[in-house]
Amino acid sequence: DAKTTQPTSMDCAEGRAANLPCNHSTISGNEYVYWYRQIHSQGPQYIIHGLKNNETNEMASLIITEDRKSSTLILPHATLRDTAVYYCIVRVPLSSGSARQLTFGSGTQLTVLP
Amino acid sequence: SQTIHQWPATLVQPVGSPLSLECTVEGTSNPNLYWYRQAAGRGLQLLFYSVGIGQISSEVPQNLSASRPQDRQFILSSKKLLLSDSGFYLCAWSPSRTEAFFGQGTRLTVV
Repeated sequence: DAKTTQPTSMDCAEGRAANLPCNHSTISGNEYVYWYRQIHSQGPQYIIHGLKNNETNEMASLIITEDRKSSTLILPHATLRDTAVYYCIVRVPLSSGSARQLTFGSGTQLTVLP
Repeated sequence: SQTIHQWPATLVQPVGSPLSLECTVEGTSNPNLYWYRQAAGRGLQLLFYSVGIGQISSEVPQNLSASRPQDRQFILSSKKLLLSDSGFYLCAWSPSRTEAFFGQGTRLTVV
């Protein structure tokens, strides 16, 4: 799986958009970009994933650059409950009958400030 | 909708005691099930995975075992806990070719 680079920490004011960057310059053509977050002492929570097109769901938007070497997770209106460690992972999708080790890097500690 | 239950949330056990952590999934059938351990540096290590009842694959040799007695039930066990078994244990499930969804985790402290 390709390696990712994320800032160690970020702050965001409540109600503002949180933009979390991720660099994945060694991504290969069949690898997707996944985002998870982990609130302290809880299990990781899947947020969103994409291959090359921008994606949006009820939680966030994912913007992937045209060369796919970087991406940005956008939380449009951050709340205090969005304070968590956010992980950017690049890999091929899980396949039936084959579990893959999910390698979470250090992630970005997002702190939403009141 | 699908939900995953994992319990207990925290557990303190003496060295040499047995362990049983349970995980159940609702709202789906024949899920792939996984047990992970999360190290202090936030990395997730896959311990076991199962693609069906009675089908268990172990990723790393260790003091733990897993069983899947029912389609949506996955159990992590040990006959005798070691201090090194302390950690944060996560159960996860996935439908075919899509994302993994995690339980809330169990913080195990072996004393």
